[in-house]
Amino acid sequence: ETVMTQSPATLSVSPGERATLSCRASQSVSSRLAWYQQKPGQAPRLLIYGASTRATDTAARFSGSGSGTEFTLTLSSLQSEDFAVYYCQQYNDWPLTFGGGTKVEIK
Amino acid sequence: QVQLHESGPGLLKPSQTLSLTCAVSGGSINTGSYYWTWIRQPAGKGLEWIGRVHTSGNTNYNPSLKSRVTISVERSKNQFSLKLTSVTAADTAVYYCARAPLGGGVMVIGFDYWGQGTLVTVSS
Repeated sequence: ETVMTQSPATLSVSPGERATLSCRASQSVSSRLAWYQQKPGQAPRLLIYGASTRATDTAARFSGSGSGTEFTLTLSSLQSEDFAVYYCQQYNDWPLTFGGGTKVEIK
Repeated sequence: QVQLHESGPGLLKPSQTLSLTCAVSGGSINTGSYYWTWIRQPAGKGLEWIGRVHTSGNTNYNPSLKSRVTISVERSKNQFSLKLTSVTAADTAVYYCARAPLGGGVMVIGFDYWGQGTLVTVSS
């Protein structure tokens, strides 16, 4: 099983600032990685796939990078609606696995 | 617009079987171009992939649940279902159904559509 580890668990950021979230895979997943945003009481929403491709309706301030075992999600200028929990997920092999999540909170 | 909607009992007793259905609207489940998937999330915790089914009937399950899980597709009703046997309190979670597009027979983008989730509580 590919274990996905996200850091930090919580990130305190002021609106307008930049946030950088990390995701590490225990073995290579190539670029078969997705990022999701989840707000309280809602289902996760696909933000990024293929490690760096924005999904439909994903704002340009969200960017993804990396390949292999190290990945990053960057939020260039946080808006109020961006405060949420973010999950990475690999779809390279079975079982599909998610990271534990990073909560981005208002500083 | 594709929509997924979970339904099923919200309260179970230990040892019972959890049965949920995901109704798909706005698109056909029969295209063969997707994996239809179940994912769960205990309160305040992360996401756990349970398993997936293709309209061919092919399935993959999480090894941690494999002995208790069955996912099947009901083409005529445009829905798919989850059965989890011998539930315990550890199975208490919000259960989501989701769609994963395929390209060349493999997942290409992750899960693009999700249901709103349904809370299942296991308690005596």
